[in-house]
Amino acid sequence: EAQVTQNPRYLITVTGKKLTVTCSQNMNHEYMSWYRQDPGLGLRQIYYSMNVEVTDKGDVPEGYKVSRKEKRNFPLILESPSPNQTSLYFCASSLGLAVTDTQYFGPGTRLTVL
Amino acid sequence: AQTVTQSQPEMSVQEAETVTLSCTYDTSENNYYLFWYKQPPSRQMILVIRQEAYKQQNATENRFSVNFQKAAKSFSLKISDSQLGDTAMYFCAFMSRMNRDDKIIFGKGTRLHILP
Repeated sequence: EAQVTQNPRYLITVTGKKLTVTCSQNMNHEYMSWYRQDPGLGLRQIYYSMNVEVTDKGDVPEGYKVSRKEKRNFPLILESPSPNQTSLYFCASSLGLAVTDTQYFGPGTRLTVL
Repeated sequence: AQTVTQSQPEMSVQEAETVTLSCTYDTSENNYYLFWYKQPPSRQMILVIRQEAYKQQNATENRFSVNFQKAAKSFSLKISDSQLGDTAMYFCAFMSRMNRDDKIIFGKGTRLHILP
């Protein structure tokens, strides 16, 4: 089954404790992206990746890092989380950026930073 | 489990026409939000309009309006006087407010082409 998986689904942590949210897709997609979803602000793009070893900043990259060492994985790294990073995070992937390329979303990761 | 269904994978209309995108959802809950997001080729996700389930009045934002039929679990988006810049993928989304679970569930999207 074609899917995007994220782990963990729920995470409560404390300020400054490094964490990683994993994202994996099984569709051999080149394009992957991370979004955060906050009330009243909709979905905002954090980082995206066009292919292995190719990443770029989205709208709200501050405080986040990503890596794309393999095509299927695109982890989101918070080196020193802060309470303003409490949010709902979505990973997504698509074959490319063509109009006909459907984007698939992961189930979301609820992060709380105390 | 909640589901969101967008039955129109792709639509095309002429510029200046009005177009309606359909969305139905399934839930047993009474307290939730519904959204329409626009996603241009850049892959940004732009919140177009939001509806709170307890509000009877349909939400409106400039040329965008919704027809929210709670009993029928239908949430269609109407775009009036369509413009070339409206060409994008549109996602309908559901968010429960029960049990403090803010997970958002997306439909598969409708690809909208506005033709000159």
